[in-house]
Amino acid sequence: DIQMTQSPSSLSGSVGDRVTITCRASQRIASYLNWYQQKPGKAPKLLIYTASNLQTGVPSRFSGSGSGSDFTLTISSLQPEDFATYYCQQTYSTPHTFGQGTKLEIK
Amino acid sequence: QVQLQESGPGLVKPSQTLSLTCTVSGGSISSGGFYWSWIRQHPGKGLEWIGYIYYTGSTFYNPSLKSRVTISVDTSKNHFSLKLSSVTAADTAVYYCARDYGGNSGLDLWGQGTLVSVSS
Repeated sequence: DIQMTQSPSSLSGSVGDRVTITCRASQRIASYLNWYQQKPGKAPKLLIYTASNLQTGVPSRFSGSGSGSDFTLTISSLQPEDFATYYCQQTYSTPHTFGQGTKLEIK
Repeated sequence: QVQLQESGPGLVKPSQTLSLTCTVSGGSISSGGFYWSWIRQHPGKGLEWIGYIYYTGSTFYNPSLKSRVTISVDTSKNHFSLKLSSVTAADTAVYYCARDYGGNSGLDLWGQGTLVSVSS
């Protein structure tokens, strides 16, 4: 299985901050990397697919980059509704493994 | 718009089989291009991919669960199902069904999730 490692596991930020979350795959996965946002008690929501493509309806302050084994999710200006847990997922090969999550909290 | 809804027992006894169904509404499960998926989340933990199925019946399972998992599809009822046998307390989790476009473009549509507890 491909192991996905996110960093940091948690971070705090203020409204308006720029934040970056990284995801590293244990082997090269081309651009088959997706990002999700999950709020407590809710299903995850797809933000970015295949590394850099913004899912329909997702605000443009979210962006993704990377290829190979290193990827980043950037939120350009944190909004109150962005405080949540974020997961990366590789879909290069089955099983489609997820990172352990990054909890973004209010500073 | 297309929606997914999980259904099934919220409590299963140890050693029994967990059975869940995901009903697709607002669209056809046979429309092609989509892989119909199951994911679970242990309480307070991260996400675990269980497997997915194409409408033709082709399946892909997580090897860690493969010996116990069966995913099936019923195109006439527009739903797909999960069966997990020989459950233990470690299978207590929120189970989500979801849709994956192309099998590798991310899970763009999710059900609300259903908590299944394994306890006697």
